[in-house]
Amino acid sequence: NAGVTQTPKFQVLKTGQSMTLQCAQDMNHNSMYWYRQDPGMGLRLIYYSASEGTTDKGEVPNGYNVSRLNKREFSLRLESAAPSQTSVYFCASSVGSSNQPQHFGDGTRLSIL
Amino acid sequence: QKEVEQNSGPLSVPEGAIASLNCTYSDRGSQSFFWYRQYSGKSPELIMFIYSNGDKEDGRFTAQLNKASQYVSLLIRDSQPSDSATYLCAVIGSGTYKYIFGTGTRLKVLA
Repeated sequence: NAGVTQTPKFQVLKTGQSMTLQCAQDMNHNSMYWYRQDPGMGLRLIYYSASEGTTDKGEVPNGYNVSRLNKREFSLRLESAAPSQTSVYFCASSVGSSNQPQHFGDGTRLSIL
Repeated sequence: QKEVEQNSGPLSVPEGAIASLNCTYSDRGSQSFFWYRQYSGKSPELIMFIYSNGDKEDGRFTAQLNKASQYVSLLIRDSQPSDSATYLCAVIGSGTYKYIFGTGTRLKVLA
């Protein structure tokens, strides 16, 4: 049972390049989330998808887009990468009701030069 | 702005002692509370969750919730060097299922 799988694990981009981070879960969860984690800032929600077919902005959505491809997959796209987007990105999923825990993938470490 | 506050630490405790980690939150309507452990360079790992006032025990871990005072704590008994990590408090606020995370408390258990 893989849980939440993120690809790639590491990536270096140049400013202005685009990239899509992939996330897939095999737990039949309804809700999926994208976070970024920066030193001293904690985990901040970028976008989330409450259920298949819906997406909503989180706390820090600027510069990102998402696609909920199906129930399993939720991708995060950087259209024109900026150095300020250098971070560790985590995907998470949950059953979807308000009191259920989220389960995290291993993260993608992204550096933008 | 709904907030979750944690002391960043580091909190240093000797091996075998009780480590006490605290978290306060601003949204009085919050209903669900979670503790995650995060080792350096790794992803957050769920330790415990608590929904009701009082204590909830799971092995060496006890979560305590006091909604009137708006704090939640995590006690780690018989602390081990392997418990050295950052502990993240997460709260689901009223009318939502989005987490708000604290910035975490770094725990160091000294052998």
